[in-house]
Amino acid sequence: DADVTQTPRNRITKTGKRIMLECSQTKGHDRMYWYRQDPGLGLRLIYYSFDVKDINKGEISDGYSVSRQAQAKFSLSLESAIPNQTALYFCATSPGQLGAFYGYTFGSGTRLTVV
Amino acid sequence: KNQVEQSPQSLIILEGKNCTLQCNYTVSPFSNLRWYKQDTGRGPVSLTIMTFSENTKSNGRYTATLDADTKQSSLHITASQLSDSASYICVVSGGDKIIFGKGTRLHILP
Repeated sequence: DADVTQTPRNRITKTGKRIMLECSQTKGHDRMYWYRQDPGLGLRLIYYSFDVKDINKGEISDGYSVSRQAQAKFSLSLESAIPNQTALYFCATSPGQLGAFYGYTFGSGTRLTVV
Repeated sequence: KNQVEQSPQSLIILEGKNCTLQCNYTVSPFSNLRWYKQDTGRGPVSLTIMTFSENTKSNGRYTATLDADTKQSSLHITASQLSDSASYICVVSGGDKIIFGKGTRLHILP
């Protein structure tokens, strides 16, 4: 099994629909992140969580919300999907304290298309 | 402004050839620089990490260099293989910041 599992892998949804992307990890890491990747723009941080009770906005949080249900689970919701939220979404984890030094473990991504 | 710039945006080379990818950064303070490889449809995977005091680090056919004075890093790939076709992302960490470059898309032709 993968260390960081994202579901679904692919999703097509209609404008205005609510959708949830799920992420679970077996790394035992405290820190979890949601990133969005668009062609030519690289990875951009949506939300991050340093523990179950800690949720922080990233640089592009508008239109998104998150829930940290447990240390191992971090879900991303689009309350009312719009076409410019079409992108590849990645969940990532890292150890606490020296997380930046140890780097991220990424999931395989969810390709979301909003029509 | 904290930025990570990568060049070229894309690169096409023949199998067996060498290539070098560049990363320039303005992130301050600086903690470390990491190169990731991202295969199509997959998440990025770390190749190397370099801290301020390290000039060169190798991982198989991948060799990363770091010049902390000029704030430049390079990733050199030796004897390229078809499996090297991927995006390569430079990520710089410092303080509470982690800044991603936009990546270089590498295509290896048989």
